[in-house]
Amino acid sequence: NAGVTQTPKFQVLKTGQSMTLQCAQDMNHNSMYWYRQDPGMGLRLIYYSASEGTTDKGEVPNGYNVSRLNKREFSLRLESAAPSQTSVYFCASNGQGLEPQHFGDGTRLSIL
Amino acid sequence: AQSVSQHNHHVILSEAASLELGCNYSYGGTVNLFWYVQYPGQHLQLLLKYFSGDPLVKGIKGFEAEFIKSKFSFNLRKPSVQWSDTAEYFCAVKGNNRLAFGKGNQVVVIP
Repeated sequence: NAGVTQTPKFQVLKTGQSMTLQCAQDMNHNSMYWYRQDPGMGLRLIYYSASEGTTDKGEVPNGYNVSRLNKREFSLRLESAAPSQTSVYFCASNGQGLEPQHFGDGTRLSIL
Repeated sequence: AQSVSQHNHHVILSEAASLELGCNYSYGGTVNLFWYVQYPGQHLQLLLKYFSGDPLVKGIKGFEAEFIKSKFSFNLRKPSVQWSDTAEYFCAVKGNNRLAFGKGNQVVVIP
């Protein structure tokens, strides 16, 4: 029972490099989310996908793009990484209605 | 859009002490409220949730929270903490299929 799986767990990039963070869930959930977590800031929503084929901006979308490849997978792309994007990134998913979100283990991304 | 405010970002207390973490939210519609816990180096895990009914909600590991609609609050409590409760705690409110998180409370329990 894997739940939400994120890869990679750690990554170091140079400024200007591109990178795709992968997320997959095996719970047949409709909705998927990408957050970033920074000290003292809580979790901030980057993008979300309410269902397969749809994506919407969250609170901090600038510098990111997403793809809802199918119902299982939701990737986050940094086209040109910047030091301000150094953070821990969490993917989450939930099913219909009132079900709470399930989180992946996170990707720790450092940009030099 | 909904927003969440958590107070006292850093809390340090001794084992067996009581813990209360404040959470206030703003949202115009029907709210669903959550408390998540994040142990060091781990992902967020659900502690408890409130959707409707009894405003006093009991969660895992002896935690409970009380929804007070008139105060727009959903405070988390535990009567007697343990060292293993050292973690960061996040309050969240759901609206329009999106969760808004507070900035978190870093709780350190001293043995």
